[in-house]
Parts: sequence; structure tokens; C-alpha cells
Amino acid sequence: QVQLVESGGGLVKPGGSLRLSCAASGFTFSDYYINWIRQAPGKGLEWISVINPSGTNTNYADSVRGRFTISRDNARNSMFLQMNSLRADDTGVYYCGREYWGAFDIWGQGTMVTVSS
Amino acid sequence: DIVMTQSPDSLAVSLGERATINCRSSQSVLHSSNNRNYLTWYQQKPGQPPKPLIYWASTRESGVPDRFSGSGSGTDFTLTISSLQAEDVAVYYCQQYYSLPRTFGQGTKVELK
Repeated sequence: QVQLVESGGGLVKPGGSLRLSCAASGFTFSDYYINWIRQAPGKGLEWISVINPSGTNTNYADSVRGRFTISRDNARNSMFLQMNSLRADDTGVYYCGREYWGAFDIWGQGTMVTVSS
Repeated sequence: DIVMTQSPDSLAVSLGERATINCRSSQSVLHSSNNRNYLTWYQQKPGQPPKPLIYWASTRESGVPDRFSGSGSGTDFTLTISSLQAEDVAVYYCQQYYSLPRTFGQGTKVELK
């Protein structure tokens, strides 16, 4: 079935780095924009990044621009988020989401990132 | 950035009664080229990712019960649950996809009275 599966979350110290992955199946991955959306514990949803189908165009929220890098490998049906200079306020569940005209029609189950000393 | 503001933050509704959630955008999300409102509603239950309910402000996602309906245009939108069921207890979010960055409302928690 159509699904996205995130991985790579964990506990990291402030200033550290982490690389998240999003594996897709059940659809033609290379046809779709894919996004990262995060949710701090007990809080709302925050869009953080998008990548176009070919991987040539990206966009970021101001809160992560310059620290996070989104990329994709269409041959492996996968998308990635390299997160550097992590801060405590980056803590939360990170979801990848398939884009439908800018809305998100398919979501993964999420991967938890905790930034703490 | 387009700011999305939902009201109320929470509401308690009896089983079978109507629930109404409002969402206001800081600028219009109606695209003149196709006369569509670039607004989505999501439902999120604890421990789960959000689930899309409504696209284009009023088009139900496949499989969503018809007790869920969306309305509004421009800057003011409403999600209505016509007859609340126990399984509808959740947090509901609106999101605009008119422009980047995509932005969400703060969420409305629906509980049983």
C-alpha cells in the first residue's frame, strides 16, 4: 500500500547532528513533492521543508534554514533530512508528507528527535 | 507568511451534537486562476499522524464520513461535524497551501461533554 516510513530519530546533544530518512512505497516516488513537518511535544504542526520531484529545488522554514538540508534519492525511493547545529527547540516528532497541491495526503508515522544534554 | 488562527482552542460536545471549528487566514487563500481555496483540514488522534479530511476547503477526502463538511472562502473557513461520534475526539488543524511556507492553525481539541 501507499506509505511513508521515517527513521533515524534519536537523542542528540545541543549542537549535534542527525540524519533522518523517509522511505516511500506503493506509489511512483519520483512524481511527487515530499515535505518534512514536525511537531514539538504537546504542540501543533510546523512545516519545515519541501523538495521537488527531481530534487533540484528545495525550500525551508526560516527556523531551520541554514542548519537543515533536504535531499532525495529517487532510485532508492527515499528522502533525507540532514540536521546540523541542533537546538533544544528542534525536539519533536518529524513526519514526512507526500504533497497534494501543497496539502499533505500521505503521512508517515513519524520519528522522534530529542535534543538534550 | 500567512498566519492561520483557529477558534476555539477547545470545545466539548455531546454525542450526536454539532461541532463547529473556525479557521481564519491573515490573507486570502482563494486563487483567482482557478477559483479554489487552498485550505485543508486534518484530524489528529493521540500518537498518530494527522489525517486529511477536507481539501480545497470543502472537498472531502475519500473515505471520510459525510458528517464532516468544510465551508468558507477567502479568509474565513469552517469545519463542521454534524453529529459527533466518539471516534471524532481528536485535535483538528487547518492548513493553507496557497503559498510557502505552508502554515497550520494552532489546533482545536474536540472532546466529549
